[in-house]
Amino acid sequence: EAGVAQSPRYKIIEKRQSVAFWCNPISGHATLYWYQQILGQGPKLLIQFQNNGVVDDSQLPKDRFSAERLKGVDSTLKIQPAKLEDSAVYLCASSLDRENGELFFGEGSRLTVL
Amino acid sequence: AQSVTQPDIHITVSEGASLELRCNYSYGATPYLFWYVQSPGQGLQLLLKYFSGDTLVQGIKGFEAEFKRSQSSFNLRKPSVHWSDAAEYFCAVVLTDSWGKLQFGAGTQVVVTP
Repeated sequence: EAGVAQSPRYKIIEKRQSVAFWCNPISGHATLYWYQQILGQGPKLLIQFQNNGVVDDSQLPKDRFSAERLKGVDSTLKIQPAKLEDSAVYLCASSLDRENGELFFGEGSRLTVL
Repeated sequence: AQSVTQPDIHITVSEGASLELRCNYSYGATPYLFWYVQSPGQGLQLLLKYFSGDTLVQGIKGFEAEFKRSQSSFNLRKPSVHWSDAAEYFCAVVLTDSWGKLQFGAGTQVVVTP
């Protein structure tokens, strides 16, 4: 069974530039999550989708971050414009449904903002 | 305030020795509890989870964890560590009224020496 796929693995940009990350969850998983992991900290949930609807985006900085999951499968997370403090690993995860406690994580996309 | 605390940022253990990682939580109700492991450059992998029932939970890779309600703790243990257990370990919790919104501790980095 293929795992959660993410790209790109690494990205370096200047502040005020934009960046987009892509995630393809495990086939059949209805719930998709984006987490931000800053160095030395645990992952923090940014947004949760159930199929193509947003369940929770309370911790997403909506002035610069956006995410979509238009067809209920893959998802894109965008940052525009990026700030220095956005340097982090962006982890995508999926689960069969919201009530299933096991999340499967991708390897992450490491963003460095200079 | 609701929180997950992993008191040990870094632990060094000799190969073959036992390992215990601490996790404490502060929530009004008993949350569901998880331990994840993150190897360098890898995504997070679920080791074990506790929802209810037997307070001693067995997981993958020879790990176990014990839930102690009176101490609000969910400590992870392994009787004999292997060099491949070197990784970062995260305790995480979720409340049933916010399924999918895993809240992670800051992590414990485990180094295994020969």
